[in-house]
Amino acid sequence: DTGVSQNPRHKITKRGQNVTFRCDPISEHNRLYWYRQTLGQGPEFLTYFQNEAQLEKSRLLSDRFSAERPKGSFSTLEIQRTEQGDSAMYLCASSLGGFPYGYTFGSGTRLTVV
Amino acid sequence: AQKITQTQPGMFVQEKEAVTLDCTYDTSDQSYGLFWYKQPSSGEMIFLIYQGSYDEQNATEGRYSLNFQKARKSANLVISASQLGDSAMYFCAMREPGGADGLTFGKGTHLIIQP
Repeated sequence: DTGVSQNPRHKITKRGQNVTFRCDPISEHNRLYWYRQTLGQGPEFLTYFQNEAQLEKSRLLSDRFSAERPKGSFSTLEIQRTEQGDSAMYLCASSLGGFPYGYTFGSGTRLTVV
Repeated sequence: AQKITQTQPGMFVQEKEAVTLDCTYDTSDQSYGLFWYKQPSSGEMIFLIYQGSYDEQNATEGRYSLNFQKARKSANLVISASQLGDSAMYFCAMREPGGADGLTFGKGTHLIIQP
């Protein structure tokens, strides 16, 4: 068990470009979550998967954001046509699901849009 | 409406003193869970302690304890014998079973331990 792994740790991109982040959860965890954290704020929940099914996506910030977990293992979060307001830390977490299980977070991907 | 309120943006505490970080929450559900996480400058969210709404005893984990006052909707984190390594952002969060299984976080408290 090596924890939740996120890649890359940092990403700098030009406005209008597409970016994709990867998250590898703890192997026995069937639930995977994505959060966005802007400066000075707590993380904001975006979406989550149970195995390969995306059970909540209404909180994705716009239709430029999408996430996949095709085989129920790793997940990707894609942002299309990035804007400067997308600059933030993107955190991934995984869980066994249900009370009282908690969430294990990765170290995040810090996105800077220039 | 804000569901998690942390009223202390920043705190300075002397090393070895106890510190209480405030958290109030708002929910109409009877069953819910409350979490505290620590976020050092590296960015990772480190789980500290969990309290279920039906737990009769206050949760404790080593130097961390949660002062849970259900009627007041309060879930304050108490750190005993603070250490320099405790300096970090601290977030209170709530999980609601009727929600989307995600956590709702407060804005956090920046704790600085002074030698």
